[in-house]
Amino acid sequence: SQQGEEDPQALSIQEGENATMNCSYKTSINNLQWYRQNSGRGLVHLILIRSNEREKHSGRLRVTLDTSKKSSSLLITASRAADTASYFCATENTNAGKSTFGDGTTLTVKP
Amino acid sequence: GAGVSQSPSNKVTEKGKDVELRCDPISGHTALYWYRQSLGQGLEFLIYFQGNSAPDKSGLPSDRFSAERTGGSVSTLTIQRTQQEDSAVYLCASSLWNVGLDGYTFGSGTRLTVV
Repeated sequence: SQQGEEDPQALSIQEGENATMNCSYKTSINNLQWYRQNSGRGLVHLILIRSNEREKHSGRLRVTLDTSKKSSSLLITASRAADTASYFCATENTNAGKSTFGDGTTLTVKP
Repeated sequence: GAGVSQSPSNKVTEKGKDVELRCDPISGHTALYWYRQSLGQGLEFLIYFQGNSAPDKSGLPSDRFSAERTGGSVSTLTIQRTQQEDSAVYLCASSLWNVGLDGYTFGSGTRLTVV
């Protein structure tokens, strides 16, 4: 099974609302990354949080990491229609050298 | 180059034929990764390179799949005797070292369709 699992699988909100996506994982990690994928395109890196960090911000994005619960959340504030995309978390496991991706959350922001 | 370049962007091939997919990473990125993504699914790890060596080939689905990287730069993923289940988008990514500070930079992918 995937190391990272996103929840919910799909999320639909109105423009201006906040969107929260969650990611759970199973084993010890070096870091956790969030990516966005627009339909039919490659993935774009959004933010990376290291295992010794608890929270990170980038513009309208806020990522939290709780290593005791093996979970992370991505919050997008004041969402826009252009935020409509799939969002993936990826974990780099200790000594793995590669990152493992979840199945993603599909976010739809209605104008 | 400015980004990760993959070619071809689309490939339609007949079942049983061999295909080669190319990835040209960002100049200076030592780590290179291949993933594949089936329609509406997450990313499945295939193989990654540090320089020209591949420390982890565990994701290659069968011995029909192979990959090489030469000169610490361009990588080629080869699929022999293609099957319909090989149809997917094959994504390449590179990073400065492992995931580095800025995560992976992905190419736009090669959409492979086996008919």
